Formats: sequence, structure tokens, C-alpha cells
Amino acid sequence: GDSVTQMEGPVTLSEEAFLTINCTYTATGYPSLFWYVQYPGEGLQLLLKATKADDKGSNKGFEATYRKETTSFHLEKGSVQVSDSAVYFCALASGSARQLTFGSGTQLTVLP
Amino acid sequence: EAQVTQNPRYLITVTGKKLTVTCSQNMNHEYMSWYRQDPGLGLRQIYYSMNVEVTDKGDVPEGYKVSRKEKRNFPLILESPSPNQTSLYFCASSTSGQGSRDTQYFGPGTRLTVL
Repeated sequence: GDSVTQMEGPVTLSEEAFLTINCTYTATGYPSLFWYVQYPGEGLQLLLKATKADDKGSNKGFEATYRKETTSFHLEKGSVQVSDSAVYFCALASGSARQLTFGSGTQLTVLP
Repeated sequence: EAQVTQNPRYLITVTGKKLTVTCSQNMNHEYMSWYRQDPGLGLRQIYYSMNVEVTDKGDVPEGYKVSRKEKRNFPLILESPSPNQTSLYFCASSTSGQGSRDTQYFGPGTRLTVL
């Protein structure tokens, strides 16, 4: 079945540091890929998504590129802020559009 | 305001006492789903519904039931809760046509403790 493997955390960075959170996937067909973010005490919200190979999703300074050849969708941000502290989830939607499979989540803490 | 609501937000109960967690969305979404979140495991899908009267099992359906009699509501039922169902539960919905490929809108979560 489909699966998502996400870089384990927690990750602690200083403000303005570069962020990479690795995500790789296993899926049949042509999945859609997502990054969701969960701020403390809240539900998840979509950060960005990509629906086909070589698509780049971007939002709030975050970027991720759908790489079919390496089955990856790594999340990057050039300069993190304290307000980016949250848990980040990589997710995959199957070709049938019925199920959504999440990675285990990466806790990011940004220190001032 | 477009939103997904869940009730209750917090619940402490005892083994075997039936409970229902409600989920409602006001966005006319066709696709709805339930997840549980456990440390180190991320979110795992319990059940999903592509439309009214259409429900199907996700990855961890054991011990749970759902129903979808109206488009806006998707309650999660635990007929006989057990301690291993202690978890944080999220309901989500998305627009029609693309199901899980669409942006999921999540509720605020329900923290359930089963003693």
C-alpha cells in the first residue's frame, strides 16, 4: 500500500536558518502530494501541494518539488521565523482519491 | 465562516461506555473523513465518505463506526471504547470530485481518554 516516510524530529533551528524536512513516498499510480502544518492546539491546515511530477508547491516562503524519479517531496524554507514553530506533515493522496496517507510528522522549533 | 466543527473537544470516559463524536461542515463538501493522531504515528485514517450514504474503511477502522445520512454531518461512533482508543481525533472535509486529492479542511480535534 501507499506509505510516506518523513524525517524524524524534533528539529530545532535559530531564526533565519535554512530549513529542510525530508519526505519520501511509496505509491502506485500518480499520487498528489501535500504538506500540512499543525500549530499548537489546532487542527491541520494545508501549507502547499503538488499534483504531478516536477510541480513545485509554494506558500509563505515554503517550497517543495514533486520529484517522481526520487519519489520525494522535501519541504524547504530559506529563512525560518519563530512563528514557523509547528508540526509539519507530509501526505499523499492515492490515485483513486479515496484515502490520504500521512507521514509521522516533524516537530520544528525555531529559537529567537 | 467556513469551518469544520467537532464536539466534544475533550472527553474522558470509561471502557465500554458508548460514545459519539460529532463532526459537521458548512461548506457543502462531499468528501469527509476521520483520523486519529498518536505520537510517532502521524495521522491514520479511520473511515472516509465520498458522499451521502457512501462510507468506507480507512487504515484503522476496528472499533469504530460512522454514518453519513446528511452531507454536512459525519459522526464517529465508538460502541465499546477501550483504552487503546485514547487518542486525538480529527474530522476533515473537502470538495467533491477530487476526494482526498483536494485540500482537506480539518476540525479543531477531539481529545479522547478512555480509562
